[in-house]
Amino acid sequence: KAGVTQTPRYLIKTRGQQVTLSCSPISGHRSVSWYQQTPGQGLQFLFEYFSETQRNKGNFPGRFSGRQFSNSRSEMNVSTLELGDSALYLCASSKGGAGGANVLTFGAGSRLTVL
Amino acid sequence: EDQVTQSPEALRLQEGESSSLNCSYTVSGLRGLFWYRQDPGKGPEFLFTLYSAGEEKEKERLKATLTKKESFLHITAPKPEDSATYLCAVQANSGNTPLVFGKGTRLSVIA
Repeated sequence: KAGVTQTPRYLIKTRGQQVTLSCSPISGHRSVSWYQQTPGQGLQFLFEYFSETQRNKGNFPGRFSGRQFSNSRSEMNVSTLELGDSALYLCASSKGGAGGANVLTFGAGSRLTVL
Repeated sequence: EDQVTQSPEALRLQEGESSSLNCSYTVSGLRGLFWYRQDPGKGPEFLFTLYSAGEEKEKERLKATLTKKESFLHITAPKPEDSATYLCAVQANSGNTPLVFGKGTRLSVIA
């Protein structure tokens, strides 16, 4: 079956611009999580959406936002880009049921470079 | 606050030289501990989930074990294709909390 698809794979922006990243989860998965990965900080949790509702949010500024659509596809947006936003942005999907340990399936990521 | 610390940061092995990677964690009740493998330019790939102390899981040359404070990923007779970054993550047993990841161990296996 198809895996988690992220687009675009690579993008270059300049400071002050905004960016939108897209994620299509595995069919049947209702939860989508976003992580930022940098060499110094590792994977840091941004937010999780389940059935179009934000269920969890990490410790990132309000410039980082996301949403989920009725077909479980998700987008994240970063406004007023800063140099420090350069990172690999990973999307992961899971079935997301309550109570169980959520095995995340990751996409290949979107590599954002801010100049 | 839930925390995961992995050691060493980097490990270089000769092919066939067995070793272990360490993952120390603090969590307010463990729902699950996860091991992932990440190759350069790719997203993390799921390896194992461990739920309780004493549990062990194996896959090919990899074996993961769990105690109340740490997990080990044992690599037996590694091959060059085992070279990757290995990530450990924990999920707390409260509501629908997100996975908290360590910074990973970068493993290089030299032929």
